[in-house]
Amino acid sequence: DADVTQTPRNRITKTGKRIMLECSQTKGHDRMYWYRQDPGLGLQLIYYSFDVKDINKGEISDGYSVSRQAQAKFSLSLESAIPNQTALYFCATSDPGQGAGGEEQFFGPGTRLTVL
Amino acid sequence: DAKTTQPNSMESNEEEPVHLPCNHSTISGTDYIHWYRQLPSQGPEYVIHGLTSNVNNRMASLAIAEDRKSSTLILHRATLRDAAVYYCILRDPFTSGTYKYIFGTGTRLKVLA
Repeated sequence: DADVTQTPRNRITKTGKRIMLECSQTKGHDRMYWYRQDPGLGLQLIYYSFDVKDINKGEISDGYSVSRQAQAKFSLSLESAIPNQTALYFCATSDPGQGAGGEEQFFGPGTRLTVL
Repeated sequence: DAKTTQPNSMESNEEEPVHLPCNHSTISGTDYIHWYRQLPSQGPEYVIHGLTSNVNNRMASLAIAEDRKSSTLILHRATLRDAAVYYCILRDPFTSGTYKYIFGTGTRLKVLA
């Protein structure tokens, strides 16, 4: 079984709808992240959480919100989806115990979201 | 923020070595150099990381210039499965002491059979 799972894997929705993307992990990591990837581009950080009570905005948080329901679950919401939020969304986890320099991020398979 | 510069694309023949360059002229003394790759239709995966010394693991080698302003990811024998986008990333410490990764556009590696 995959260590980091994302649901749904694909979603098509309409402008103005509320959408929730979910991420679950079995790695026991405290740190979780949400990234967005636009076609042909690298990843941009939306939000990150270093534990259940610690949630922080990333580079492009406008239009998004998150919820850390438990150590293993981190959800991303689009309160009112718009077409330019069409992208590939990745969840990731990391373990700070690996040391400051070697903190490897583990990524989920991604959710492809299309906003019409 | 320290940034990296990579070629947009490279090609290699199967079973030959591949050297993927990365320039990071504004790297700070405490920035680690990380490499990730993204296979088609998958999330990124960790490849290797280092600070000053060259590093080897089962996937690749990382050669870091003495002045740390550039580095090279070395795949010793490219396979078709190595076709991916390779990202060279520097750790970017927040003022709070926590960290994030800054992904650029990476290098798209094409492996020819």
